[in-house]
Amino acid sequence: DVKVTQSSRYLVKRTGEKVFLECVQDMDHENMFWYRQDPGLGLRLIYFSYDVKMKEKGDIPEGYSVSREKKERFSLILESASTNQTSMYLCASSYTDGGYGYTFGSGTRLTVV
Amino acid sequence: EDQVTQSPEALRLQEGESSSLNCSYTVSGLRGLFWYRQDPGKGPEFLFTLYSAGEEKEKERLKATLTKKESFLHITAPKPEDSATYLCAVQPGNTNAGKSTFGDGTTLTVKP
Repeated sequence: DVKVTQSSRYLVKRTGEKVFLECVQDMDHENMFWYRQDPGLGLRLIYFSYDVKMKEKGDIPEGYSVSREKKERFSLILESASTNQTSMYLCASSYTDGGYGYTFGSGTRLTVV
Repeated sequence: EDQVTQSPEALRLQEGESSSLNCSYTVSGLRGLFWYRQDPGKGPEFLFTLYSAGEEKEKERLKATLTKKESFLHITAPKPEDSATYLCAVQPGNTNAGKSTFGDGTTLTVKP
């Protein structure tokens, strides 16, 4: 079964900490995405990558960075966590043209205290 | 700017009561329209891709249709296990990296 695996289901971090969220896919997909999902705001794109070492900003990149050193792995970094970054974070991957839709991970629920 | 609007926000049905969910969209040259199902606390699960007006796709009790301005997800004789949030997304023809724009979803509750 094809998979997108996110390293943690639940995380609790302190304000100001540097936080790493890891995502690994086993489908040889070219594209990878990080979204956050909040009640009433839907899915918002943070960053995406269409190739190794390539990245582009999404709609809400402020306070985040990403790294893609290998095709199968896409990391989201919160440089200095703040309480307004408490959210559900979803990683997704797709083929180059996206025509088969996204495969999502199960999500990481991050709480910043 | 691409936009996706889903209605209603929430829908409550009795088991066996058929209905439809709507997804209205504006996009620069549609490459694909996608439907996903999301259960609470989980990531969305891909259901269908529709590429052109007039196209239909079916899976069990679900049927997705597409026109030039909207898509419908028809649910026939729903069961309680169909309760979930259903998300619609569009991908424009000029996108980089297969980037999609998502709607806010319709939360469906099916009562036994």
